[in-house]
Amino acid sequence: QSVLTQPPSASGTPGQRVTISCSGSSSNIGSNTVNWYQQLPGTAPKLLIYSNNQRPSGVPDRFSGSKSGTSASLAISGLQSEDEADYYCAAWDDSLNVFYVFGTGTKVTVL
Amino acid sequence: QVQLQESGPGLVKPSQTLSLTCTVSGGSISSGGYYWSWIRQHPGKGLEWIGYIYYSGSTYYNPSLKSRVTISVDTSKNQFSLKLSSVTAADTAVYYCARAGDYYDSSGYYPPNYWGQGTLVTVSS
Repeated sequence: QSVLTQPPSASGTPGQRVTISCSGSSSNIGSNTVNWYQQLPGTAPKLLIYSNNQRPSGVPDRFSGSKSGTSASLAISGLQSEDEADYYCAAWDDSLNVFYVFGTGTKVTVL
Repeated sequence: QVQLQESGPGLVKPSQTLSLTCTVSGGSISSGGYYWSWIRQHPGKGLEWIGYIYYSGSTYYNPSLKSRVTISVDTSKNQFSLKLSSVTAADTAVYYCARAGDYYDSSGYYPPNYWGQGTLVTVSS
């Protein structure tokens, strides 16, 4: 039931910069901010970015987010092996009352 | 540091009601300021927001599940609960409880932040 579209996979070598896109619509990304989650294998998701580009305390500044129109991006610079995980974008959707929608998820592989 | 722990049956029969409880430690639900959420993840798939409740009892549900979902809070036990009725195999998933309210986004909402470890619920006869 994901209404936010992400590429299924992305990869890079250690030290590289990887970017993940997230496409939505006017009722979600177009009118609300975007959050990003990191899910390491076998664990619960962790909030990585909120309000488009804000990092919760403890999140390295290698992670950055941006938004333009109905799309958003997450960038990981200086890729590290421990960054290998699934990444999900999320946003509030105003189309039918207010509810939270997640992206389809992107698996990041460190080569 | 707040901790959340899901509990409930790991196996539910089709057409029955799935019931889960989330026990909160390290913080009081009744202190206010937080939204208590349920989110699920189908095996090998993405995340689906089910809904959340404020300590006062106000609820917000995913429109696609709204007719079958009830989220309630028991401040005396520092717990909140999920009931999902008329389940089918499509409701087999890992169910997470989470807290929102630690970070405010400029849309005016709070993204789920602290998550429980999740519990797998299988719907099968």
